[in-house]
Amino acid sequence: EAEVAQSPRYKITEKSQAVAFWCDPISGHATLYWYRQILGQGPELLVQFQDESVVDDSQLPKDRFSAERLKGVDSTLKIQPAELGDSAMYLCASSTDRVSPLHFGNGTRLTVT
Amino acid sequence: EDQVTQSPEALRLQEGESSSLNCSYTVSGLRGLFWYRQDPGKGPEFLFTLYSAGEEKEKERLKATLTKKESFLHITAPKPEDSATYLCAVQGTSYGGSQGNLIFGKGTKLSVKP
Repeated sequence: EAEVAQSPRYKITEKSQAVAFWCDPISGHATLYWYRQILGQGPELLVQFQDESVVDDSQLPKDRFSAERLKGVDSTLKIQPAELGDSAMYLCASSTDRVSPLHFGNGTRLTVT
Repeated sequence: EDQVTQSPEALRLQEGESSSLNCSYTVSGLRGLFWYRQDPGKGPEFLFTLYSAGEEKEKERLKATLTKKESFLHITAPKPEDSATYLCAVQGTSYGGSQGNLIFGKGTKLSVKP
């Protein structure tokens, strides 16, 4: 069964440093999402792409976070500078369209020290 | 504002002891209600989508039901391998606040002891 690939699996960084996460969605999935999940909470949407275009980034802290999906396939989420409060699991998900179930990757666990 | 509340926060069952998880929601027009299972350190795994009140879906020992205000995930004769966090999420038709994206609850952590 096809899966959403994410890397790295774990990342430890010092505050004020830059960090980047990568996601490769299931082939053919036009819609891609980045979620943040704090321990003990449900995932919260950061940004949604339809092909290479941003559909919703209303919850993305744009002063420090950026996301891109240049060719409408894989995507990168960047944080610069990282803050202690950014420690969380960053999940990527994809779907065939905006109303179909999401398929999640196994996430990147970020720890900011 | 769209909102999802799950209860209980944690549930401990003996193997074979059936029970239900609750998901209460407030949404401005429901497009779909989703149930996911999440194992520790992994991403959520899709289980069910329910679209309208009265709808039911089943998968092995799990059965999801939907009313106009809540959904239940019934677990019949659970096994230790059913231990996980179960997440409920709603997608509204409104393109105002949530913009039609999934709003997740905090989840119910289920532990099944042999």
